[in-house]
This record gives sequence, C-alpha cells and structure tokens, in this order.
Amino acid sequence: ETGVTQSPTHLIKTRGQQVTLRCSSQSGHNTVSWYQQALGQGPQFIFQYYREEENGRGNFPPRFSGLQFPNYSSELNVNALELDDSALYLCASSSQVNTEAFFGQGTRLTVV
Amino acid sequence: AQSVTQPDIHITVSEGASLELRCNYSYGATPYLFWYVQSPGQGLQLLLKYFSGDTLVQGIKGFEAEFKRSQSSFNLRKPSVHWSDAAEYFCAVEVNRDDKIIFGKGTRLHILP
Repeated sequence: ETGVTQSPTHLIKTRGQQVTLRCSSQSGHNTVSWYQQALGQGPQFIFQYYREEENGRGNFPPRFSGLQFPNYSSELNVNALELDDSALYLCASSSQVNTEAFFGQGTRLTVV
Repeated sequence: AQSVTQPDIHITVSEGASLELRCNYSYGATPYLFWYVQSPGQGLQLLLKYFSGDTLVQGIKGFEAEFKRSQSSFNLRKPSVHWSDAAEYFCAVEVNRDDKIIFGKGTRLHILP
C-alpha cells in the first residue's frame, strides 16, 4: 500500500459526457501527477499539480483539466469524452519535486 | 526524439531461470532511471531507481539493474524468477528532475512452470 487512493476504481461513461476522477495523496505529499495508461501501453503524463498550481502539462487537449485542493488531494476532469479516453488513469504523489513518486491503484474509465 | 525503448513486448522464461529485460533511452543528459512493475489491474510499484553513483542498483524482490552510460541502457535483471514475477514491467525516466516520468511501452513477463 502506497497511501495514495483513487476513486472510483471503475466507471463507465457515454461519449460526450464529462467525468471527474479523484486522488488522495499520501500524507505529507504536496505534488500530484496524473497519467493516462491506454490498454497495452505505458502510462503517459497528463499534468502535475504542486501546491495547488499546475506545474507542467503533457500532450493532452484542454478538455483534460485538473485541480489540487489545500489538503493536496486532486481531481482530474475530462470533458466531452471520446472513445479513445478509455484507459486506466493513475495518480502519483510525492513530497516535493525531485523525490520518489508513489502511485495509486488507478481508475479504469470505459467510454462507450 | 526523446524516448524510452523497451524492445521486447513479451518475454517468457521458466521458473528458476535468469531474467534480463532491456531498456534504452535517448536523452542528452543522464536522466533519473526507474523500473516499475504492474500486476494485472493494479497500479505501479517501484522496483528500483538510479539517480547517481554506483551504476549497479539493487531493488526489491531480488531485482537489480545496471546503468550503462555508453549504451544509454538500464537493463533489469533477476538471477532466478518466481511464478509471482509474472507481470508487466516498465522502464521509465525522469528527465528534468521534476517528478514528470516518461515510461516505455512495457514488457510483459510470462513464467513457465
């Protein structure tokens, strides 16, 4: 157990809908990164939040957005869902930039 | 282009045999290097990491990896695999020391009894 929890574990959405995924970071961690892992692929970096501010973004469109709260938990929001958004979404937390990141178990999103 | 390459999509070894999973990266400077393992339907578990210093790194579960700068490689090894080692293994790098990790596409390890 890493202490990083994600919810929900699974969900199914319809194309065009919006979804919010949640991540509770490990106690004492102020940095959260989100990754998308499509079936048969390695995880791809979506974006990172450090002390409630976005701190870098990968090659994902603006309909992928996020938030980090004062307790350092985080949300990933995806608007206008597409079939290709079906994936395992992983969050990782760390205590500050440049230390080990701990991953949650992920949220499996299926878009139909 | 910057990338992490794991040339073997699938590898099958017999239980008790030795294992080597290959990883190459293409970055100008030496990044931080990692190996993660992922069991089906699970998140990622860090096996080991290399930041600097001794190029032979020991990890959990009996795994080790060797960083070879001249070959831009960071291969994972285990002298004797167990059935429980069957999983997906990801090599990864962190280029800018900023916790933004770039992953390879993974190698699926199958174990024969």
